Amino acid sequence: RKEVEQDPGPFNVPEGATVAFNCTYSNSASQSFFWYRQDCRKEPKLLMSVYSSGNEDGRFTAQLNRASQYISLLIRDSKLSDSATYLCVSRDDKIIFGKGTRLHILP
Amino acid sequence: NAGVMQNPRHLVRRRGQEARLRCSPMKGHSHVYWYRQLPEEGLKFMVYLQKENIIDESGMPKERFSAEFPKEGPSILRIQQVVRGDSAAYFCASSETGGYGYTFGSGTRLTVV
Repeated sequence: RKEVEQDPGPFNVPEGATVAFNCTYSNSASQSFFWYRQDCRKEPKLLMSVYSSGNEDGRFTAQLNRASQYISLLIRDSKLSDSATYLCVSRDDKIIFGKGTRLHILP
Repeated sequence: NAGVMQNPRHLVRRRGQEARLRCSPMKGHSHVYWYRQLPEEGLKFMVYLQKENIIDESGMPKERFSAEFPKEGPSILRIQQVVRGDSAAYFCASSETGGYGYTFGSGTRLTVV
């Protein structure tokens, strides 16, 4: 079983819509979780940390479900500039990246 | 406060040559991580270093690849006798404490011809 699994997409979503994607992790001992954003041919950049209590930053909401070992990211009122690949990350003794979910916001 | 600096941005090598990729962490960061990203693939962990120590090299290929982070100077990822399959983007990240506050460099795109 892969350590961090994500639906690769692409998700093609009209501008203004709400989009959500999930990620599952296999190591129950993972301590921390993050969402990163990666634009084409650029480096990954930290989007937000993920907590069991939920974490909201503007239009973005991240949630962790330890019992089911999944992490979610919700984007409301999507913008064209949200088009990117979103990487799910878990950390135990090292940081493990998922392969990413590609998101295309359509005008 | 400059971010993580990687150079060169682009590197072209012929098969059999050596490639040296450099990474200068953010000021105050003593933890360095190297990742490889193949086209259309995710980031794969290669190695985790602190000054003068390799902490975890479980992601490094057994042959031709080596990494160091000397007391002075940047971290170096060295690939000897490169092959076409080594063509990828190599990203370096640094953190102040292990595992938190990762900041990535812009990457080095290696092309082996």
